[in-house]
Amino acid sequence: AQTVTQSQPEMSVQEAETVTLSCTYDTSESDYYLFWYKQPPSRQMILVIRQEAYKQQNATENRFSVNFQKAAKSFSLKISDSQLGDAAMYFCAYRSAEGAGTASKLTFGTGTRLQVTL
Amino acid sequence: AAGVIQSPRHLIKEKRETATLKCYPIPRHDTVYWYQQGPGQDPQFLISFYEKMQSDKGSIPDRFSAQQFSDYHSELNMSSLELGDSALYFCASSFGRRTPRAGANVLTFGAGSRLTVL
Repeated sequence: AQTVTQSQPEMSVQEAETVTLSCTYDTSESDYYLFWYKQPPSRQMILVIRQEAYKQQNATENRFSVNFQKAAKSFSLKISDSQLGDAAMYFCAYRSAEGAGTASKLTFGTGTRLQVTL
Repeated sequence: AAGVIQSPRHLIKEKRETATLKCYPIPRHDTVYWYQQGPGQDPQFLISFYEKMQSDKGSIPDRFSAQQFSDYHSELNMSSLELGDSALYFCASSFGRRTPRAGANVLTFGAGSRLTVL
């Protein structure tokens, strides 16, 4: 079974600064997908960014980018120019791509709560 | 754009009562996932359906059952409710067709149904 670990329960960043959230995972599979989801106080789960394991290029979405190190099984999220609206719980998630058939479930890490200060 | 609709948004029940949560996926999405998120915890996978058939099963108690109907909406039935069932229940939907890269299809989450068991 796959596991996802987020070792930072809480992080804090000043507005306009950059912060990196860590995520490691354990899997014996070679093909999979990794995601970062954001959960603001409204509790809505919002997709931030997605990475396909077979792609070496790190994914980027505006101010959000990842550092995907497949050999190290590491998938960190970098938020640049942090904004007050970035304050939320961030979950790293894993999804298997192996096997034929339907898309598999997401397995989440325990989350990192990000505070953004003025 | 249409999103995943969950109802009710809030539900209060007594111990040993029964509750039913409903989920209406994004149009044309054929796969539905149910997650349970306890206070301060990460979302835990319960069960998923693809084309009205159970696709995967996680840590769903035997007291819970679910199904997906012909219009692709899904219902999660919970009986003999316990205090520990108090949680936010998320439904998510995606395309789950039998394609090699089905795992790349993004899960879109609903706003969740908050169940409180007294």
